[in-house]
Amino acid sequence: TQLLEQSPQFLSIQEGENLTVYCNSSSVFSSLQWYRQEPGEGPVLLVTVVTGGEVKKLKRLTFQFGDARKDSSLHITAAQPGDTGLYLCAGRRAGNQFYFGTGTSLTVIP
Amino acid sequence: KAGVTQTPRYLIKTRGQQVTLSCSPISGHRSVSWYQQTPGQGLQFLFEYFSETQRNKGNFPGRFSGRQFSNSRSEMNVSTLELGDSALYLCASSALGGTNTEAFFGQGTRLTVV
Repeated sequence: TQLLEQSPQFLSIQEGENLTVYCNSSSVFSSLQWYRQEPGEGPVLLVTVVTGGEVKKLKRLTFQFGDARKDSSLHITAAQPGDTGLYLCAGRRAGNQFYFGTGTSLTVIP
Repeated sequence: KAGVTQTPRYLIKTRGQQVTLSCSPISGHRSVSWYQQTPGQGLQFLFEYFSETQRNKGNFPGRFSGRQFSNSRSEMNVSTLELGDSALYLCASSALGGTNTEAFFGQGTRLTVV
């Protein structure tokens, strides 16, 4: 059983559309990270959110940590083909262990 | 500064053999974690080393082992390889290992067992 569930699992959209990816859990995390991974490469850290209710923006990407620190969302505005990749959320709990989400594979069609 | 370096990038082994993968963390980082990534299971945590001691361990059989050296470099060993061990093995390093510390990944080692 995965501690973090992501939805949707797959997403294929046209360039210019908006999208939201969700990362949900019944557990509380001290922090949550979002990564993007391209085929054959390691995940690249996009952002870390720490405080419940925190919102961070990275250009066209908006990340939110839930008030109870159990869930998070990633919203992309006006998606571009360069946004294509596997998006992973990872929650950190006591003991420094990361728990990774199931992943969302995003394809942006030009 | 240099990122996390994993070697080799690609590896092909035969069932029953053993393999050793290497990870050099970012300079100054003392925590190294290993993950197995497969299409069906996603990213699965193997173990974490901090200051040469295994601090956390995932739910993998004893065939998977690791160690960390005094310079924080880490190795992961898999003995008696099985076809199901084919995966991308990722190493992540972080600084002091606090609860809000970020982890940075290497490019991974793609292991194929035939």
